[in-house]
Amino acid sequence: AQSVTQLDSQVPVFEEAPVELRCNYSSSVSVYLFWYVQYPNQGLQLLLKYLSGSTLVKSINGFEAEFNKSQTSFHLRKPSVHISDTAEYFCAVSFSYGGSQGNLIFGKGTKLSVKP
Amino acid sequence: GAGVSQSPSNKVTEKGKDVELRCDPISGHTALYWYRQSLGQGLEFLIYFQGNSAPDKSGLPSDRFSAERTGGSVSTLTIQRTQQEDSAVYLCASSLLSGNTIYFGEGSWLTVV
Repeated sequence: AQSVTQLDSQVPVFEEAPVELRCNYSSSVSVYLFWYVQYPNQGLQLLLKYLSGSTLVKSINGFEAEFNKSQTSFHLRKPSVHISDTAEYFCAVSFSYGGSQGNLIFGKGTKLSVKP
Repeated sequence: GAGVSQSPSNKVTEKGKDVELRCDPISGHTALYWYRQSLGQGLEFLIYFQGNSAPDKSGLPSDRFSAERTGGSVSTLTIQRTQQEDSAVYLCASSLLSGNTIYFGEGSWLTVV
């Protein structure tokens, strides 16, 4: 069975510091990986995704994540965070793309709190 | 519409009553999903529609939960005889094709008192 583990439920960090939000998955088949972000009182928004090709994927607002198959990880990083990055971040896995139901399995989320 | 639209945004209901939550997906999106977000449980998959049929209902927590989709568009999630543990945010999402990028609505916050 597929599962997603986000090891940190909360990550406090100061503005302009680097941050890493960890995500590990478990699957016996090929996976497709996603990071979603939920800002306070808003819905989920796709931040970035890995489907195939380059294992390093980037978002438009400076986040990046690297798919590491051997470590079954898809950690999210940003070299310098801003207060506006304060949100809850969800890692998700889909164990098939285009052929299955597209069901996303989510981790429990990591609350990133950026302090001035 | 521009995005996935859900109604009501907030609903308070008495234990034992039935509730209906509505989702209007992005125009042209054939796949529609319902998820539930609650404290301590994270995001749980409930049901998936491709067109009007539901090939995956595996996440529905009990037979009090049902969903339908008509015209390949609007979907309704119905919870019968609500219980306090049903309190959660119910999120609807849609995608252009099964497995493509999934876009979420802002959710319906259900509180059962």
